[in-house]
Amino acid sequence: GENVEQHPSTLSVQEGDSAVIKCTYSDSASNYFPWYKQELGKRPQLIIDIRSNVGEKKDQRIAVTLNKTAKHFSLHITETQPEDSAVYFCAASNDYKLSFGAGTTVTVRA
Amino acid sequence: EADIYQTPRYLVIGTGKKITLECSQTMGHDKMYWYQQDPGMELHLIHYSYGVNSTEKGDLSSESTVSRIRTEHFPLTLESARPSHTSQYLCASSVPGSPLHFGNGTRLTVT
Repeated sequence: GENVEQHPSTLSVQEGDSAVIKCTYSDSASNYFPWYKQELGKRPQLIIDIRSNVGEKKDQRIAVTLNKTAKHFSLHITETQPEDSAVYFCAASNDYKLSFGAGTTVTVRA
Repeated sequence: EADIYQTPRYLVIGTGKKITLECSQTMGHDKMYWYQQDPGMELHLIHYSYGVNSTEKGDLSSESTVSRIRTEHFPLTLESARPSHTSQYLCASSVPGSPLHFGNGTRLTVT
């Protein structure tokens, strides 16, 4: 089955700096890669996703890149703000099953 | 508004009690899931369903059971709760190849 590894497990950045979270996956059949943000006490919510026919996608301060050959994808947050503090989960999906990474706790220092 | 709803939001019960956590979605999604998550930690899949009368066990062994008699309803039952079941339980739904939509969760405490 699919195995998704996520690094780092914790990340502390100064407000205004960039944050990068990296994930690797094992199943070459995976074709859909969503990223979720979970604020304290709230449900995970989709922030951005990418499909395997696209190498990069951007939405304002958030971008995701995908390298299918190396089987890794990354989340980039630029100009971080205190409201970016949360746990971020990557995931990889084929048409049947979605597998999550273990999560990254991001803390933005004011 | 189309969404996924979980009740109760919080539950404190004694050891040995039978409980059912409710999950309903109004989005017409075929696939539904139950995840167990300690606060801020990894999401562990415990059950999922592809549609009516379909239920499968997830990656994490669980003493709970589920049923899927109607498309919109996916309840989770613990026959005899134990302190080790204390956790947050998140229900989710999706259509194939699209993102999961999560409910607000049920935070269960077993004393």
